[in-house]
Amino acid sequence: DAKTTQPPSMDCAEGRAANLPCNHSTISGNEYVYWYRQIHSQGPQYIIHGLKNNETNEMASLIITEDRKSSTLILPHATLRDTAVYYCIVRALTGANNLFFGTGTRLTVIP
Amino acid sequence: NAGVMQNPRHLVRRRGQEARLRCSPMKGHSHVYWYRQLPEEGLKFMVYLQKENIIDESGMPKERFSAEFPKEGPSILRIQQVVRGDSAAYFCASSPNLHRDPNEKLFFGSGTQLSVL
Repeated sequence: DAKTTQPPSMDCAEGRAANLPCNHSTISGNEYVYWYRQIHSQGPQYIIHGLKNNETNEMASLIITEDRKSSTLILPHATLRDTAVYYCIVRALTGANNLFFGTGTRLTVIP
Repeated sequence: NAGVMQNPRHLVRRRGQEARLRCSPMKGHSHVYWYRQLPEEGLKFMVYLQKENIIDESGMPKERFSAEFPKEGPSILRIQQVVRGDSAAYFCASSPNLHRDPNEKLFFGSGTQLSVL
């Protein structure tokens, strides 16, 4: 499974959009991009995933560049409860038997 | 539909004792994963099990650690003769079938915080 690179930390003002980048320049054609987050002292929580097209659900939007070498997770109106570590994960169905969680981005939403 | 249940939530052991961590997957899920998270670090994969089978234990320490997922009952992560370095949060996750469907996802429990004195 391809590696990902994320900034270690970011701040976002409450009510503003939080844009979390992820670089996955070695991604291959059959690999999906998944985002999970981990709120302090809790287990990780699935947010969204995609292959090529942009995706949106009730939690967030996922924008994948045309060359698929990077993506951005967008939380449209960040709240204090969105403060968490966000993990970008790339995985193929035929890849490893697990999801590889790197160090992620620690997002702090500021009042 | 209850989520992934882990117990105990907190476990304190003295060096040399045994620790048993339990995980009941979500209803209908037959795949269980165990992860370990040391303080201020990311989650590290330990083992992947299906009912009565260990599929991938590439992340398990070679000694003192074992896992099982019997036909009936929860999955158990067992740590024998615990040492202080075993102190960590242990998370269990389950899925229906992560490897066949890209739309499948992992559902995590709240974890067990193991403290070794």
